[in-house]
Amino acid sequence: GDSVTQMEGPVTLSEEAFLTINCTYTATGYPSLFWYVQYPGEGLQLLLKATKADDKGSNKGFEATYRKETTSFHLEKGSVQVSDSAVYFCALSGFTGGGNKLTFGTGTQLKVEL
Amino acid sequence: KAGVTQTPRYLIKTRGQQVTLSCSPISGHRSVSWYQQTPGQGLQFLFEYFSETQRNKGNFPGRFSGRQFSNSRSEMNVSTLELGDSALYLCASSLGFSGPPSSPLNYGYTFGSGTRLTVV
Repeated sequence: GDSVTQMEGPVTLSEEAFLTINCTYTATGYPSLFWYVQYPGEGLQLLLKATKADDKGSNKGFEATYRKETTSFHLEKGSVQVSDSAVYFCALSGFTGGGNKLTFGTGTQLKVEL
Repeated sequence: KAGVTQTPRYLIKTRGQQVTLSCSPISGHRSVSWYQQTPGQGLQFLFEYFSETQRNKGNFPGRFSGRQFSNSRSEMNVSTLELGDSALYLCASSLGFSGPPSSPLNYGYTFGSGTRLTVV
């Protein structure tokens, strides 16, 4: 079945540091790929998405490129802020039995310090 | 437009009881999916409803069930609650068109804030 593997956390960075959170996937066919962010006590917010190979999703300074050859969708940001502290989930949308569903990675907690 | 509304936000139940959670999707969205989030298992897919029909189901016991009404609002029910059912239950709303995931119609899941269920 479909699966998503993302790097273990927590990740602690200083403000303005460069961020990379690795994500690789296994899926049948050509899934869509997503990064979601979850702040304490809240639900999931879509951060960015890509629907086909070589697509780059971007939002709020975050970027991720759909790499089919390496089955990866790594999240990057050039300069993190304290407000970026949250849990980040990589996910794929696979087509299963008539409907789509999201398969999530385990999440990576990011803490940004001054 | 209004987002996805889940009620209640918090719930405390006793083992053996049953519980019903509600989700109102974004207006015009016909698909509602439910996910369970726990520290140990992470985010797991429960089921998806589209036009009042269950279209997809995850690997959960029959104690977990759901339904969808004609206005697309959805409820999920858990019977005979166990301590392990304590979790954040998230609902996701989408347009719900099926087909190749690469279709631009096929993504765009919007999540609610969740219902935090505690079983004691």
